[in-house]
Amino acid sequence: DIQMTQSPSSLSASVGDRVTITCRASQSISDHLNWYQQKQGKAPKPLIYDASTLQSGVPSRFSGGGSGTDFTLTISSLQPEDFATYHCQQSYTAPYSFGQGTKVESK
Amino acid sequence: EVQLVDSGGGLVQPGGSLRLSCAASGFIFTNYWMTWVRQAPGKGLQWVANIKQDGSEKYYVDSVKGRFTISRDNDKNSLYLQMNSLTAEDTAMYYCARVKWTSNGPYFDVWGQGTLVTVSS
Repeated sequence: DIQMTQSPSSLSASVGDRVTITCRASQSISDHLNWYQQKQGKAPKPLIYDASTLQSGVPSRFSGGGSGTDFTLTISSLQPEDFATYHCQQSYTAPYSFGQGTKVESK
Repeated sequence: EVQLVDSGGGLVQPGGSLRLSCAASGFIFTNYWMTWVRQAPGKGLQWVANIKQDGSEKYYVDSVKGRFTISRDNDKNSLYLQMNSLTAEDTAMYYCARVKWTSNGPYFDVWGQGTLVTVSS
């Protein structure tokens, strides 16, 4: 099975900050990588698929990159509504594993 | 409005069974694979199972194989997860989700609100 590891597990940031979250796969997954945002007590919401394609309606301050084993999710200018937990997920092969999540908190 | 509504969770004793349901609306249910994803308290997300549009293909994570069964009723626009031989490790919020297949595999583009399953004596 493919293991997905996110770093950091949590981070503190301020509104307006540039935030980058890293996701690493235990083997190459090309660009078969998706990102989700989850707010406290709510269901996850899709953000990015195929490593860099924004889901319809997602603000352009979100961007995704990477291929192979190393991927990033970047928020160019953090907004109040962006405080949440972010999850990466590989879609290369079943079981479609997720990272452990990265919680973005207010500094 | 595209919507998934999860139901059927609750408190069950170890070794017991539970059947989760997911009611779909606002889209053509028969056009989509569907999936279940779970999240143990304070933990990350875990993919549980997928089912093809006509139910002819089903896939499971190893930890639930032989105990859980995913199914669907396309006439009722509903997805199900039959869970047997439950253990404490199955305690989690369970989400149904719609599967969008990109050129790079499955992406879960619509989610239910979740239903909580607690396995405890």
